[in-house]
Amino acid sequence: ETGVTQTPRHLVMGMTNKKSLKCEQHLGHNAMYWYKQSAKKPLELMFVYSLEERVENNSVPSRFSPECPNSSHLFLHLHTLQPEDSALYLCASSQDSSGIWTDTQYFGPGTRLTVL
Amino acid sequence: AQSVAQPEDQVNVAEGNPLTVKCTYSVSGNPYLFWYVQYPNRGLQFLLKYITGDNLVKGSYGFEAEFNKSQTSFHLKKPSALVSDSALYFCAVRDGGAGSYQLTFGKGTKLSVIP
Repeated sequence: ETGVTQTPRHLVMGMTNKKSLKCEQHLGHNAMYWYKQSAKKPLELMFVYSLEERVENNSVPSRFSPECPNSSHLFLHLHTLQPEDSALYLCASSQDSSGIWTDTQYFGPGTRLTVL
Repeated sequence: AQSVAQPEDQVNVAEGNPLTVKCTYSVSGNPYLFWYVQYPNRGLQFLLKYITGDNLVKGSYGFEAEFNKSQTSFHLKKPSALVSDSALYFCAVRDGGAGSYQLTFGKGTKLSVIP
């Protein structure tokens, strides 16, 4: 589990706060992902980065803003969130090339976010 | 569009008995299929995957899964369950024909192994 790390592990924030989630992968991968896991719902893909370029954004509200400064780091900047945004936010990475996308995604432990 | 279904919210099995967690999928091209496990307050851990080749795939912790193209299924199995196998299990599919980044997950099946 140390291949993909996430900080903080727990975060409580008010609706007017600005905070950031951090993900770091130590696997030499070239693709990184943000997922949202809510109770009673399947995992929702939020963002995908390949070689530091965003390649997919699944209609995520603008109050979530991703940043990928290099292939090892991924951030999720949060501002003016709503209580319904409370969830477990998971980061993942994979080694994908040539547009084939067969490789396994490896997940971090997640950040448990509570919005008051 | 690609989709995956896990028809059981919960599976209970006695320790030492065989276990099966069911998964069916729908894709337009070739399916790339994955199983993950999630323990409380942890991220998802990869168990096994099917991309091509032998229909019976062996993975971590003694788990295996069988790809059945005619039934569009990819059930997870283990010959003898352990109490430590109790966790949440996710099946996931990617449509190989679509060239998509999207990995679609099922809603998960909670496995409880009873001592």
